[in-house]
Amino acid sequence: KQEVTQIPAALSVPEGENLVLNCSFTDSAIYNLQWFRQDPGKGLTSLLLIQSSQREQTSGRLNASLDKSSGRSTLYIAASQPGDSATYLCAVRRTGTALIFGKGTTLSVSS
Amino acid sequence: GAVVSQHPSRVICKSGTSVKIECRSLDFQATTMFWYRQFPKQSLMLMATSNEGSKATYEQGVEKDKFLINHASLTLSTLTVTSAHPEDSSFYICSVKQGSTDTQYFGPGTRLTVL
Repeated sequence: KQEVTQIPAALSVPEGENLVLNCSFTDSAIYNLQWFRQDPGKGLTSLLLIQSSQREQTSGRLNASLDKSSGRSTLYIAASQPGDSATYLCAVRRTGTALIFGKGTTLSVSS
Repeated sequence: GAVVSQHPSRVICKSGTSVKIECRSLDFQATTMFWYRQFPKQSLMLMATSNEGSKATYEQGVEKDKFLINHASLTLSTLTVTSAHPEDSSFYICSVKQGSTDTQYFGPGTRLTVL
């Protein structure tokens, strides 16, 4: 059974810091991995999608890497801003199209 | 990206009543929609996969007679929580998969509170 773990559960940093969020999964036979952002009481916004054949994806200040063989992915946020404060969810796609989610990392960026 | 709406955004109901939640794909036709549930400080858990014109596929442990899913058109799926109980209080989120990509687009969610 696929399990997705995200570390740390919560993170507080001052504005401007670069930071890394970690995601690990137990079954390396994935189709893709996706990072989402969730604001309190809101739905999810897709940030980056990495196919199983890819090593990384970049969008603006965000960079996500994937090491499928070791079951790990990282989300790198450069020059963090208060507007980045949210919960970041990692999800892997298993057989079919359903996503298996981690519990998320709640990020707080102070100004 | 796809635009997905949910209605209502928030609902409070009495125990024993039924509540219907709508999920609409606004800018493309979705043959498959997904329903997730999220308890406080927990991850999203897939409840069921909704296929247009056929019966939904439920995940293990999800009661299909309690959580009725109807996907009658390519732009609308509904989730009805029947005989709701306080333990059904949760955040319900739907998503649609755009056929040309592997990305799933999520609705804004519906907060259900059962008194």
